[in-house]
Amino acid sequence: EAGVAQSPRYKIIEKRQSVAFWCNPISGHATLYWYQQILGQGPKLLIQFQNNGVVDDSQLPKDRFSAERLKGVDSTLKIQPAKLEDSAVYLCASSRSADTQYFGPGTRLTVL
Amino acid sequence: EDQVTQSPEALRLQEGESSSLNCSYTVSGLRGLFWYRQDPGKGPEFLFTLYSAGEEKEKERLKATLTKKESFLHITAPKPEDSATYLCACGGSNYKLTFGKGTLLTVNP
Repeated sequence: EAGVAQSPRYKIIEKRQSVAFWCNPISGHATLYWYQQILGQGPKLLIQFQNNGVVDDSQLPKDRFSAERLKGVDSTLKIQPAKLEDSAVYLCASSRSADTQYFGPGTRLTVL
Repeated sequence: EDQVTQSPEALRLQEGESSSLNCSYTVSGLRGLFWYRQDPGKGPEFLFTLYSAGEEKEKERLKATLTKKESFLHITAPKPEDSATYLCACGGSNYKLTFGKGTLLTVNP
């Protein structure tokens, strides 16, 4: 069974630029999550989707972050404009329902 | 607000030297206590889920246990390949995971 796929793996941008990350969950997994992991910290949930709908986006900085999950499969997370403090690893995870979450390899973002 | 605290922040062991990692938690309505392993440059890898106090699960040299306030990850006779960051997370409402900061384990040959 293929795991969670993410791209790109690395991204370097200047502050105030925009960036987008892509995630393809494990086949058949209805729930998809985006996490932010700052160096030395545990992952922090940004947004949770159940199929196409948003379940929890309480910790998503909505003035600059947006996410969508079209057709209940792939998802994209966008940051516009980026700030220095957005430098982190962005992890995507998926689960069959509300149970064990499986993580992708992450995208390491550096904002200069 | 759900909270997870892991200790120690870092642990250095000699190969074969057994030890335990601690995860203490405060959550309203625990819907699972999860342990993950994270290698540098990779995403967290699922290890165990515990659902109720007294439950134990084992995998190779690892054993996870759960009480009403904390969980332990026991590592028996560790090998260098066990070196990683071990993350603990609590599932709360909506099964939202709250993670601790992790314990960085280094096992020297």
